[in-house]
Amino acid sequence: EVQLVESGGGLVQPGGSLTLSCAASGFTFNDYWMTWVRQSPGKGLEWVANISPDGSGTNYVDSVKGQFTISRDNAKNSLYLHMSSLRAEDTAVYYCARTRPAPKYYYGLEVWGQGTTVTVSS
Amino acid sequence: QSVLTQPPSASGTPGQRVTISCSGFSSNIGSNTVNWYQQFPGTGPKLLIYSNNQRPSGVPDRFSGSKSGTSASLAISGLQSEDEADYWCASWDDGLNGRYLFGTGTRVTVL
Repeated sequence: EVQLVESGGGLVQPGGSLTLSCAASGFTFNDYWMTWVRQSPGKGLEWVANISPDGSGTNYVDSVKGQFTISRDNAKNSLYLHMSSLRAEDTAVYYCARTRPAPKYYYGLEVWGQGTTVTVSS
Repeated sequence: QSVLTQPPSASGTPGQRVTISCSGFSSNIGSNTVNWYQQFPGTGPKLLIYSNNQRPSGVPDRFSGSKSGTSASLAISGLQSEDEADYWCASWDDGLNGRYLFGTGTRVTVL
């Protein structure tokens, strides 16, 4: 079964750091681009970052550039999101998702995890 | 040009056809393909339509997508109670640094 399972969320103080993980199973992880998407409480979806199959290429939404770092370990079938200098507005459910290699999300985000919740509060 | 606009809500009775619009700009829908996602409360989204009008395996054919110019639409034919969910359009935006842009979301209610 194709599956993505996020972990690492929790309560963190403003200015703190947190690293999210996403464990992939049931498919050849290093064949796919991987993406992080977040959803603030009661609000919409926001694309955060993506990473190429070999990890050499990354892209970020402007609001997290220099603050978040996406990475992957293909040997461990795992995706990560290191978040630093966290602010209240980073409070959200964070989802990881996969997409087939193609320009501009032609195939869409085919598989999603269940999400992990990050709360930034003092 | 940074927003894909959807109606906040749509509704219908079982068996009816419901259509959801997604309005964008030349930098996103006008230049790139559109995907649609379905989301139930407390769960991650599910891909419903990719590349404007293609259904992934397992998605019922009563879901269909279309695109014209800078707008796209999702149609649900033969509405069923289990279709009550949030629906999101999405498209790549070729703005300054590029990003994958989601719509504002539509809550579909089955009356």
